[in-house]
Amino acid sequence: AQSVTQPDIHITVSEGASLELRCNYSYGATPYLFWYVQSPGQGLQLLLKYLSGDTLVQGIKGFEAEFKRSQSSFNLRKPSVHWSDAAEYFCAVVYGGATNKLIFGTGTLLAVQP
Amino acid sequence: GAGVSQTPSNKVTEKGKYVELRCDPISGHTALYWYRQSLGQGPEFLIYFQGTGAADDSGLPNDRFFAVRPEGSVSTLKIQRTERGDSAVYLCASSLLPGGSTDTQYFGPGTRLTVL
Repeated sequence: AQSVTQPDIHITVSEGASLELRCNYSYGATPYLFWYVQSPGQGLQLLLKYLSGDTLVQGIKGFEAEFKRSQSSFNLRKPSVHWSDAAEYFCAVVYGGATNKLIFGTGTLLAVQP
Repeated sequence: GAGVSQTPSNKVTEKGKYVELRCDPISGHTALYWYRQSLGQGPEFLIYFQGTGAADDSGLPNDRFFAVRPEGSVSTLKIQRTERGDSAVYLCASSLLPGGSTDTQYFGPGTRLTVL
């Protein structure tokens, strides 16, 4: 079955520290990969997406992600976390077809310590 | 410009009642999606509209759920005979281009439905 795994339910980092959030996807074909952020009371906001080409993708708010086909992974990184980055992060995949429906992971809740 | 809006933001109802949830997509967006997010979970796809027609309703859990988009803009998700398990946040998203294009989906803030 098509699925996305985010193994870390909750992560706490100190402000200024680096961050890596893990994401693995199932299925053999090359998917289209997305990272969304959800803050309390806010809608899901797209951080970045990988469709093809360069496997290192730059996004908004200083985030980047790297697609590794051999590991079926699309991990999100940020070199220095700010307190405003505290939110829930969702990895999602589209496996193509006519619908473009997103399949989401269960999310990683990020807390930032001062 | 205005983003995707959803009304109401919160809806509390009793088991067995009928509810309607509304979504106003970004103006000009042809594709509209409904997702459901249960507590502690990621959003799950419900239905996709291209224009006025439901092009993919494979995510609707059962026949109590129905959605329409009569003029190709505003959409309404309708739930009959609500059950406590229907309690969740219902998210709407729209994109400019049709499905299959991997165009970015823009999400609304959601409607939190609570069934007592």
